[in-house]
Amino acid sequence: GAVVSQHPSRVICKSGTSVKIECRSLDFQATTMFWYRQFPKKSLMLMATSNEGSKATYEQGVEKDKFLINHASLTLSTLTVTSAHPEDSSFYICSASPLAGGRYEQYFGPGTRLTVT
Amino acid sequence: LAKTTQPISMDSYEGQEVNITCSHNNIATNDYITWYQQFPSQGPRFIIQGYKTKVTNEVASLFIPADRKSSTLSLPRVSLSDTAVYYCLVGDPDSGGYNKLIFGAGTRLAVHP
Repeated sequence: GAVVSQHPSRVICKSGTSVKIECRSLDFQATTMFWYRQFPKKSLMLMATSNEGSKATYEQGVEKDKFLINHASLTLSTLTVTSAHPEDSSFYICSASPLAGGRYEQYFGPGTRLTVT
Repeated sequence: LAKTTQPISMDSYEGQEVNITCSHNNIATNDYITWYQQFPSQGPRFIIQGYKTKVTNEVASLFIPADRKSSTLSLPRVSLSDTAVYYCLVGDPDSGGYNKLIFGAGTRLAVHP
């Protein structure tokens, strides 16, 4: 149980275009989902916290107009990278926290590798 | 959220026990300690979580001394497939209802034949 999926697993897009990444909790409901990005050989960096039915909370230094987050249901959050540029190329990972959580047992998706050419 | 400090890297050999220690001097009363494992190009995977003393599951043990200022993840008899980055995180799961995780640098474990 507790599976989180991401789609697509990898995407290549041209500079200036927008890309949408989906994060789904497959067998549980998640009030909160998180989005991270990770550069090669580096740690995960939290970008934003996404709550169902409300606006996302962005970490300092993350442009909310560039990284649009929508958490439309208890099982789906989307991250849209708008007007992507090569420096946005990275590994994007989402995680979900179960409704009946309590402890830190967050479940992570497999990640999406974005390459902007 | 309490800051954690771990060794940047460790090397081991197949069949050995590996202990990775994490320092968290500013851990708060309500904080739990959680360890995650990450393979290249994959999302982190939950390994173990504890509050005090010792916790054991099918893959690892977690030792937490009485002062809780550090913790040690113990992997028994590692294999090549345990080569990964291991992250130690501390925080209050009830803090703001967000369960926000802030990852440190992690420990890159390399298991050799």
